[in-house]
Amino acid sequence: EVHLAESGGGLVQPGGSLRLSCAASGFTFSNYAMNWVRQAPGKGLEWVSAISGSADSTYYAESVKGRFTISRDNSKNTLYLQMISLRAEDTAVYYCAKKFYGSGSYSPLDYWGQGTLVTVTS
Amino acid sequence: DIQMTQSPSSLSASVGDSVTITCRASQSISSYLNWYQQKPGKAPKLLIYTASSLQSGVPSRFSGSGSGTDFTLTISSLQPDDFATYYCQQSYSTPYTFGQGTKLEIK
Repeated sequence: EVHLAESGGGLVQPGGSLRLSCAASGFTFSNYAMNWVRQAPGKGLEWVSAISGSADSTYYAESVKGRFTISRDNSKNTLYLQMISLRAEDTAVYYCAKKFYGSGSYSPLDYWGQGTLVTVTS
Repeated sequence: DIQMTQSPSSLSASVGDSVTITCRASQSISSYLNWYQQKPGKAPKLLIYTASSLQSGVPSRFSGSGSGTDFTLTISSLQPDDFATYYCQQSYSTPYTFGQGTKLEIK
C-alpha cells in the first residue's frame, strides 16, 4: 500500500528556513515524479514544485522560485523541500503527492500525504 | 501560466440530486484535466484524470467530460459522503495550476 508521510513543519520567523521531508513507501520511489502542493488556511490548493524520478528535472511555482529547493534521496525513499527566506504568505499545510504516471508528464497526483503545517510568524 | 476557473464557487444540493461543476482553462490543455475531492482536514483525493477517466475505487456516479478549455464534473445521485470541496487541476504544463475550488454543501 502506498504511504506518504510528511514531517518537518512548524513555527518559523519571517526570513527563516525550514526543511520538509516526505517518507514514501509501498511503491518503487525512484520510478515516480513527486510534487509538493500547499494550502493556506481556509484557502485553495496551490502547486509548489515537482521533481522527476531521477531528480534530473525540477520545477517551481513562480511564488517560491529562488527560495525553495526540491530534492529527493532515492536510497532513502524520501522527498525534501528546503525552504529559505520564508514569508508570512508561505504559511500553509504542505502536502507531498505522487505522480500517477512514473514520468510525471501530464500526470495527475494519485496519492497524497496527510500534510505538515508551516506557520511563518513573528 | 494557465489559469483555471471553476464555477460555481459554492453549491447547495440535496441527497439524490445531480450536480455539475465547470472548470475552464485560459488556454487549451487538451484532455489533461484532473478532479480532486477534499474534505475538511484531509488530503485531496483523485477522482477523475485526463478529463474523463475514473480513478480506481471511485464510485461511478462521478463522471467527467470535456477537452480543450471547457470541462465538467458531474455527480449523479448525491450521497451524504459527497459533500466536500472539489478542485480541478491542469497537468498540461507547469505550473500545474488548480481551480479555486467548489464547495458542495447540503441543502
